[in-house]
Amino acid sequence: ETGVTQTPRHLVMGMTNKKSLKCEQHLGHNAMYWYKQSAKKPLELMFVYSLEERVENNSVPSRFSPECPNSSHLFLHLHTLQPEDSALYLCASSQNRGSNEKLFFGSGTQLSVL
Amino acid sequence: RKEVEQDPGPFNVPEGATVAFNCTYSNSASQSFFWYRQDCRKEPKLLMSVYSSGNEDGRFTAQLNRASQYISLLIRDSKLSDSATYLCVVRTGGGADGLTFGKGTHLIIQP
Repeated sequence: ETGVTQTPRHLVMGMTNKKSLKCEQHLGHNAMYWYKQSAKKPLELMFVYSLEERVENNSVPSRFSPECPNSSHLFLHLHTLQPEDSALYLCASSQNRGSNEKLFFGSGTQLSVL
Repeated sequence: RKEVEQDPGPFNVPEGATVAFNCTYSNSASQSFFWYRQDCRKEPKLLMSVYSSGNEDGRFTAQLNRASQYISLLIRDSKLSDSATYLCVVRTGGGADGLTFGKGTHLIIQP
């Protein structure tokens, strides 16, 4: 058990659907992240929430919108997605932003957009 | 030039052998370095940090060469359970978005 739980594990949605991914961390960390992992590509940072800042990757389309109600919960709201958005979406958390910051990942949501 | 580059493999290695692979990084100001392990259809997990003087954890040895801008991972006496993708991760700046991932090296240990 990683201490970071994500739901759902698998999601199939049509391009007109609206869905949300949920992440919860039980580690007392103060930073949470959404990453996208596509086949044959490196992990791509989408969003970060920490005590000091929210960081967005400017290349992420507006059809992805994050929500972080508190330091333990993170959501990724999805609407009008495209087939190329099919990927593994990983939530992660870390403690602080020091040089030896270590990421703890959830098990991911495998998303398929039809 | 890619920021963090790895040979994707796959590396097919017989059980018990020693295997090593490298990761090169382009930003000379990179501050810290990590190896993560990712099993098929699972999340990445931290394997080890890489320290300037090199470090060892059981059968795994990580080394940093700042002059040539690469890090390496060596696995001795490889086990079937070592089969996975090994991700090189480099911190290139401060802030929450300072981590850059490589695509990973796929390792297959064969019986």
